[in-house]
Amino acid sequence: GAVVSQHPSRVICKSGTSVKIECRSLDFQATTMFWYRQFPKQSLMLMATSNEGSKATYEQGVEKDKFLINHASLTLSTLTVTSAHPEDSSFYICSGDHLDTQYFGPGTRLTVL
Amino acid sequence: GEDVEQSLFLSVREGDSSVINCTYTDSSSTYLYWYKQEPGAGLQLLTYIFSNMDMKQDQRLTVLLNKKDKHLSLRIADTQTGDSAIYFCAEKEAGGTSYGKLTFGQGTILTVHP
Repeated sequence: GAVVSQHPSRVICKSGTSVKIECRSLDFQATTMFWYRQFPKQSLMLMATSNEGSKATYEQGVEKDKFLINHASLTLSTLTVTSAHPEDSSFYICSGDHLDTQYFGPGTRLTVL
Repeated sequence: GEDVEQSLFLSVREGDSSVINCTYTDSSSTYLYWYKQEPGAGLQLLTYIFSNMDMKQDQRLTVLLNKKDKHLSLRIADTQTGDSAIYFCAEKEAGGTSYGKLTFGQGTILTVHP
């Protein structure tokens, strides 16, 4: 149980375009989901906390207008990287909170050319 | 703020036990977790322990918690090559606006040699 999926698993886009990443909890309802970014050989950096039906809470230094988060249902949160640039290339991972534990998706590798 | 520290590398021989150590600073942590990450994948929850427990065992995994020293360890018995991965410890922040957030260590790269 407690499975989280992400789509797409890998995306390559041109600089200046926007990319949407979906995070779904498949067998539980996630009132709270989290979005992380991971650089090569580094730990996870929390970007924002997404709460169903309300605005996301962003960590210090994360631009909310660049990384748009929508958590419209108890099983789906989306992260849209707007006007992507090469420095946004990274591995993005989401998690859903279930019974005091975070369960993670498989991650999305974003490459911006 | 809260801080979680891990040693970066551990190398063991197949069949031996592995012990991965972690220290944390937040004395009000409620839960502490161990996650495993294989290359190009997300994090897989291995086990967790409540802050009022000293030990938890789950098959080949044993978690020890020394709350006084704020030290957490994960022991993997009979380590296999498939256990080679990055292991993250994480602590859950207790309350306030940080409730529910996890603070991660840097990750320990475990390499298992045949």
